[in-house]
Amino acid sequence: DSGVTQTPKHLITATGQRVTLRCSPRSGDLSVYWYQQSLDQGLQFLIQYYNGEERAKGNILERFSAQQFPDLHSELNLSSLELGDSALYFCASSVVGGLEDTQYFGPGTRLTVL
Amino acid sequence: DQQVKQNSPSLSVQEGRISILNCDYTNSMFDYFLWYKKYPAEGPTFLISISSIKDKNEDGRFTVFLNKSAKHLSLHIVPSQPGDSAVYFCAAMDTGGFKTIFGAGTRLFVKA
Repeated sequence: DSGVTQTPKHLITATGQRVTLRCSPRSGDLSVYWYQQSLDQGLQFLIQYYNGEERAKGNILERFSAQQFPDLHSELNLSSLELGDSALYFCASSVVGGLEDTQYFGPGTRLTVL
Repeated sequence: DQQVKQNSPSLSVQEGRISILNCDYTNSMFDYFLWYKKYPAEGPTFLISISSIKDKNEDGRFTVFLNKSAKHLSLHIVPSQPGDSAVYFCAAMDTGGFKTIFGAGTRLFVKA
């Protein structure tokens, strides 16, 4: 158990809908990352937050947004969902988020868009 | 554009033998390299890392080698155990460490 929790575990929805994925980091970790893993592909970095502020952005679509709240939990919002958004979404956390700072991953949320 | 490539989707090794997983990268600005292991229905877990100023890092049965001139790194597992069967991801971080770029992964099967 990494100490990172993600809810829900599974989510099935329809095209055009909007969903929110939630992540609670390990106790004491200030940085949160979001990744997307599509079928048989590596993890694609989406976005990183540090202590409530956006720190780095990867290949995140404009239909996706995220935020980190004062209690340090984070939410990833996916809107106008398309079939291609079906994927595993992982959240990770680390102490401060810099180089050599180990990221601890949650178990992921599996999103299926029908 | 894949900056981190793992060209072998899978690898099968006999228990007790050496497993060698390979990774190539294209961005010379990468400063730090990591290997993660992933079991089904779980998130990736950190395995071992290496800074760009080193060419080798060892942790128990796991050793990572970095060849900067070739932009290549490899993970050696000796001896391989059935419990090592998992997907292994190579990853790289640029200076600052804000973005982590992952390869597509290599599925390792260790046969008893």
